[in-house]
Amino acid sequence: NAGVTQTPKFHILKIGQSMTLQCTQDMNHNYMYWYRQDPGMGLKLIYYSVGAGITDKGEVPNGYNVSRSTTEDFPLRLELAAPSQTSVYFCASSYSTDSYEQYFGPGTRLTVT
Amino acid sequence: GQNIDQPTEMTATEGAIVQINCTYQTSGFNGLFWYQQHAGEAPTFLSYNVLDGLEEKGRFSSFLSRSKGYSYLLLKELQMKDSASYLCAVMDSNYQLIWGAGTKLIIKP
Repeated sequence: NAGVTQTPKFHILKIGQSMTLQCTQDMNHNYMYWYRQDPGMGLKLIYYSVGAGITDKGEVPNGYNVSRSTTEDFPLRLELAAPSQTSVYFCASSYSTDSYEQYFGPGTRLTVT
Repeated sequence: GQNIDQPTEMTATEGAIVQINCTYQTSGFNGLFWYQQHAGEAPTFLSYNVLDGLEEKGRFSSFLSRSKGYSYLLLKELQMKDSASYLCAVMDSNYQLIWGAGTKLIIKP
Protein backbone atom coordinates (compact mmCIF):
# COMPACT_ATOMS: atom_id res chain seq x y z
CA ASN A 1 0.00 0.00 0.00
CA ALA A 2 1.21 3.48 -0.86
CA GLY A 3 -0.81 4.95 2.04
CA VAL A 4 -1.60 8.65 1.57
CA THR A 5 0.01 10.37 -1.41
CA GLN A 6 0.04 14.08 -2.19
CA THR A 7 1.06 16.06 -5.24
CA PRO A 8 2.85 18.32 -5.83
CA LYS A 9 5.58 18.25 -3.15
CA PHE A 10 6.51 21.87 -3.72
CA HIS A 11 4.85 24.74 -5.60
CA ILE A 12 5.22 28.48 -6.01
CA LEU A 13 2.00 30.31 -6.83
CA LYS A 14 1.49 33.93 -7.79
CA ILE A 15 -1.00 36.07 -5.88
CA GLY A 16 -4.46 35.71 -7.41
CA GLN A 17 -3.76 32.40 -9.14
CA SER A 18 -5.65 29.21 -8.35
CA MET A 19 -4.49 25.63 -7.98
CA THR A 20 -5.53 22.20 -6.76
CA LEU A 21 -3.57 20.10 -4.29
CA GLN A 22 -4.13 16.41 -4.90
CA CYS A 23 -4.56 13.76 -2.20
CA THR A 24 -5.18 10.03 -2.66
CA GLN A 25 -5.34 7.19 -0.17
CA ASP A 26 -5.45 3.46 -0.88
CA MET A 27 -6.43 2.20 2.58
CA ASN A 28 -10.20 2.40 1.98
CA HIS A 29 -10.52 4.95 4.77
CA ASN A 30 -13.81 6.78 5.07
CA TYR A 31 -12.41 9.85 6.83
CA MET A 32 -10.11 12.31 5.13
CA TYR A 33 -8.70 15.66 6.31
CA TRP A 34 -6.80 18.67 5.07
CA TYR A 35 -4.53 20.54 7.49
CA ARG A 36 -2.15 23.44 7.16
CA GLN A 37 0.96 23.78 9.32
CA ASP A 38 2.62 27.15 9.83
CA PRO A 39 5.97 27.58 11.66
CA GLY A 40 5.54 27.61 15.44
CA MET A 41 1.83 26.81 15.19
CA GLY A 42 -0.21 23.67 15.61
CA LEU A 43 -1.85 21.95 12.67
CA LYS A 44 -5.09 23.67 11.68
CA LEU A 45 -7.98 21.75 10.14
CA ILE A 46 -9.17 23.26 6.85
CA TYR A 47 -11.80 20.78 5.65
CA TYR A 48 -12.70 17.19 6.34
CA SER A 49 -14.86 14.46 4.83
CA VAL A 50 -16.59 11.50 6.47
CA GLY A 51 -17.23 9.71 3.18
CA ALA A 52 -17.70 10.15 -0.55
CA GLY A 53 -20.03 13.04 -1.31
CA ILE A 54 -19.80 14.52 2.21
CA THR A 55 -17.52 17.39 3.19
CA ASP A 56 -17.51 19.88 6.04
CA LYS A 57 -15.58 22.94 7.15
CA GLY A 58 -12.88 22.83 9.76
CA GLU A 59 -11.32 25.65 11.73
CA VAL A 60 -9.82 27.66 8.82
CA PRO A 61 -11.83 27.03 5.60
CA ASN A 62 -11.80 30.54 4.08
CA GLY A 63 -10.05 30.67 0.70
CA TYR A 64 -10.31 26.92 0.14
CA ASN A 65 -12.72 24.41 -1.34
CA VAL A 66 -12.84 20.63 -1.43
CA SER A 67 -14.73 17.83 -3.10
CA ARG A 68 -14.98 14.09 -2.42
CA SER A 69 -16.35 12.25 -5.42
CA THR A 70 -14.63 8.95 -4.55
CA THR A 71 -13.44 7.25 -1.36
CA GLU A 72 -9.83 7.52 -2.52
CA ASP A 73 -9.49 11.16 -3.59
CA PHE A 74 -9.86 14.40 -1.65
CA PRO A 75 -8.48 17.39 -3.62
CA LEU A 76 -8.07 20.83 -2.04
CA ARG A 77 -8.70 23.86 -4.25
CA LEU A 78 -7.15 27.26 -3.56
CA GLU A 79 -8.96 30.11 -5.26
CA LEU A 80 -7.38 33.56 -5.67
CA ALA A 81 -4.24 32.67 -3.72
CA ALA A 82 -2.99 35.11 -1.07
CA PRO A 83 0.39 35.32 0.72
CA SER A 84 -1.38 34.21 3.94
CA GLN A 85 -1.88 30.82 2.29
CA THR A 86 1.86 30.18 2.21
CA SER A 87 2.14 27.05 4.35
CA VAL A 88 2.74 23.33 4.42
CA TYR A 89 -0.42 21.41 3.60
CA PHE A 90 -0.99 17.89 4.89
CA CYS A 91 -3.70 15.50 3.83
CA ALA A 92 -4.61 12.71 6.26
CA SER A 93 -7.01 9.80 6.45
CA SER A 94 -8.39 7.53 9.13
CA TYR A 95 -10.64 4.50 9.36
CA SER A 96 -12.95 6.34 11.73
CA THR A 97 -12.73 9.13 14.27
CA ASP A 98 -12.25 8.80 18.05
CA SER A 99 -9.55 6.27 18.80
CA TYR A 100 -8.26 5.76 15.29
CA GLU A 101 -4.95 7.25 14.30
CA GLN A 102 -4.71 9.53 11.30
CA TYR A 103 -2.27 8.64 8.54
CA PHE A 104 -0.59 11.62 6.93
CA GLY A 105 0.66 12.24 3.43
CA PRO A 106 4.16 13.70 2.90
CA GLY A 107 2.85 17.27 2.56
CA THR A 108 2.85 20.03 -0.05
CA ARG A 109 5.04 23.06 0.58
CA LEU A 110 3.26 26.00 -1.01
CA THR A 111 4.61 29.53 -1.38
CA VAL A 112 2.38 32.36 -2.61
CA THR A 113 4.28 35.45 -3.82
CA GLY B 1 -11.47 28.92 23.62
CA GLN B 2 -9.56 25.73 23.02
CA ASN B 3 -5.92 25.58 23.98
CA ILE B 4 -3.11 23.03 23.99
CA ASP B 5 0.17 24.00 25.69
CA GLN B 6 3.53 22.28 25.31
CA PRO B 7 7.10 23.51 25.83
CA THR B 8 8.60 24.88 22.65
CA GLU B 9 11.93 23.11 22.90
CA MET B 10 13.74 20.61 25.13
CA THR B 11 17.26 19.23 25.13
CA ALA B 12 18.31 15.81 26.45
CA THR B 13 21.31 13.49 26.32
CA GLU B 14 21.55 10.26 24.38
CA GLY B 15 20.66 7.30 26.63
CA ALA B 16 18.76 9.46 29.13
CA ILE B 17 15.02 9.85 29.86
CA VAL B 18 12.91 12.87 28.93
CA GLN B 19 9.34 13.84 29.79
CA ILE B 20 7.36 16.14 27.50
CA ASN B 21 4.32 17.73 29.12
CA CYS B 22 1.05 18.78 27.54
CA THR B 23 -1.83 20.67 29.18
CA TYR B 24 -5.14 21.23 27.48
CA GLN B 25 -8.42 23.10 27.71
CA THR B 26 -10.91 21.94 25.11
CA SER B 27 -14.65 21.82 24.53
CA GLY B 28 -15.16 18.17 25.30
CA PHE B 29 -12.67 15.33 25.37
CA ASN B 30 -12.60 12.20 23.26
CA GLY B 31 -9.00 11.20 23.68
CA LEU B 32 -5.46 12.54 23.51
CA PHE B 33 -2.91 11.65 20.85
CA TRP B 34 0.84 12.02 20.60
CA TYR B 35 2.53 12.22 17.20
CA GLN B 36 6.19 12.41 16.22
CA GLN B 37 7.29 14.67 13.37
CA HIS B 38 10.82 14.68 11.99
CA ALA B 39 11.92 17.90 10.30
CA GLY B 40 10.45 18.21 6.81
CA GLU B 41 8.31 15.10 7.20
CA ALA B 42 4.72 14.20 8.05
CA PRO B 43 3.51 13.47 11.60
CA THR B 44 3.37 9.79 12.58
CA PHE B 45 1.22 8.32 15.34
CA LEU B 46 2.83 7.39 18.66
CA SER B 47 0.08 6.90 21.23
CA TYR B 48 -3.55 7.36 22.22
CA ASN B 49 -5.00 7.82 25.73
CA VAL B 50 -8.66 8.14 26.61
CA LEU B 51 -8.65 6.81 30.20
CA ASP B 52 -6.52 8.05 33.08
CA GLY B 53 -3.25 6.28 33.57
CA LEU B 54 -0.10 5.18 31.84
CA GLU B 55 0.12 3.47 28.44
CA GLU B 56 3.48 1.86 27.72
CA LYS B 57 4.74 1.02 24.25
CA GLY B 58 8.39 0.02 24.12
CA ARG B 59 10.65 2.96 24.93
CA PHE B 60 7.70 5.37 24.80
CA SER B 61 4.99 5.81 27.44
CA SER B 62 2.11 8.27 27.62
CA PHE B 63 0.20 9.36 30.70
CA LEU B 64 -3.18 11.05 31.02
CA SER B 65 -5.01 12.82 33.85
CA ARG B 66 -8.38 14.03 32.60
CA SER B 67 -9.25 15.83 35.85
CA LYS B 68 -6.07 17.93 35.55
CA GLY B 69 -6.20 18.36 31.77
CA TYR B 70 -2.67 17.00 31.62
CA SER B 71 -0.65 14.46 29.72
CA TYR B 72 2.99 13.62 29.30
CA LEU B 73 5.05 11.59 26.87
CA LEU B 74 8.00 9.76 28.41
CA LEU B 75 10.88 8.69 26.20
CA LYS B 76 13.46 6.29 27.66
CA GLU B 77 16.93 5.26 26.46
CA LEU B 78 17.04 8.20 24.11
CA GLN B 79 18.58 7.67 20.70
CA MET B 80 19.78 10.27 18.22
CA LYS B 81 16.92 9.31 15.89
CA ASP B 82 14.47 10.54 18.57
CA SER B 83 15.42 14.11 17.65
CA ALA B 84 12.11 15.39 16.31
CA SER B 85 9.08 17.46 17.22
CA TYR B 86 6.44 15.83 19.41
CA LEU B 87 2.87 16.97 18.86
CA CYS B 88 0.10 16.69 21.42
CA ALA B 89 -3.47 16.67 20.04
CA VAL B 90 -6.84 16.42 21.78
CA MET B 91 -10.02 15.17 20.12
CA ASP B 92 -12.83 17.55 21.08
CA SER B 93 -16.59 17.05 21.37
CA ASN B 94 -16.94 17.32 17.56
CA TYR B 95 -14.34 14.56 17.09
CA GLN B 96 -11.92 17.06 15.59
CA LEU B 97 -8.27 17.11 16.61
CA ILE B 98 -6.99 20.28 18.29
CA TRP B 99 -3.20 20.40 17.97
CA GLY B 100 -0.49 21.86 20.13
CA ALA B 101 2.38 23.71 18.44
CA GLY B 102 4.75 20.84 19.19
CA THR B 103 7.87 20.38 21.30
CA LYS B 104 11.18 20.25 19.46
CA LEU B 105 13.39 17.66 21.16
CA ILE B 106 17.13 17.97 20.64
CA ILE B 107 19.26 14.96 21.56
CA LYS B 108 22.94 15.55 22.30
CA PRO B 109 25.57 12.80 22.29
